[in-house]
Amino acid sequence: AQSVTQLDSHVSVSEGTPVLLRCNYSSSYSPSLFWYVQHPNKGLQLLLKYTSAATLVKGINGFEAEFKKSETSFHLTKPSAHMSDAAEYFCVVGGGNTDKLIFGTGTRLQVFP
Amino acid sequence: GAVVSQHPSWVICKSGTSVKIECRSLDFQATTMFWYRQFPKQSLMLMATSNEGSKATYEQGVEKDKFLINHASLTLSTLTVTSAHPEDSSFYICSAREGGSRPYEQYFGPGTRLTVT
Repeated sequence: AQSVTQLDSHVSVSEGTPVLLRCNYSSSYSPSLFWYVQHPNKGLQLLLKYTSAATLVKGINGFEAEFKKSETSFHLTKPSAHMSDAAEYFCVVGGGNTDKLIFGTGTRLQVFP
Repeated sequence: GAVVSQHPSWVICKSGTSVKIECRSLDFQATTMFWYRQFPKQSLMLMATSNEGSKATYEQGVEKDKFLINHASLTLSTLTVTSAHPEDSSFYICSAREGGSRPYEQYFGPGTRLTVT
């Protein structure tokens, strides 16, 4: 069985400050992990993915995430927030012999000027 | 590449009527398509998985007679909400996977917002 927990439902940062969105996972298999972003009333955009290669994954728009097996975590970070980063972020787990993706409950990121 | 479209992007219908939502893979052949539902400010919940030419597999708790899924071609899947009620109002998102690709390589459509009055 697989599950993913996003530890914060809401994160607020000032523009130019670092962003940290936390995600923990549980998986019986070697997981594939993803971060997606959803802007209001829009579809999902893949930010980055981990699929058992390098544990530090770089994505689009300056985001990156580190897979830490010992901590079962896959936190999303960005050194400097931009106003356009304000959106909903979903941590997603997949893998094993299934093509199902399991979504976390989402973290809403607010960026203040 | 790997573009998935949905039509319509938004629809309003009256209670008791049916509405059809289309999901198309524009530049690849999608052997598998997925339908998700997202309530306001909530996460995506998988409703069903459909393979081209086969009956859809529904997740537990999803009424297959209410949410009819057809995946008749490699580029088109449809979701029909039958006898819609206000509680069916939601954001419906499809994703598609190309045959032979890794299981997790799904490409998402932009979503369809359904409002039932």
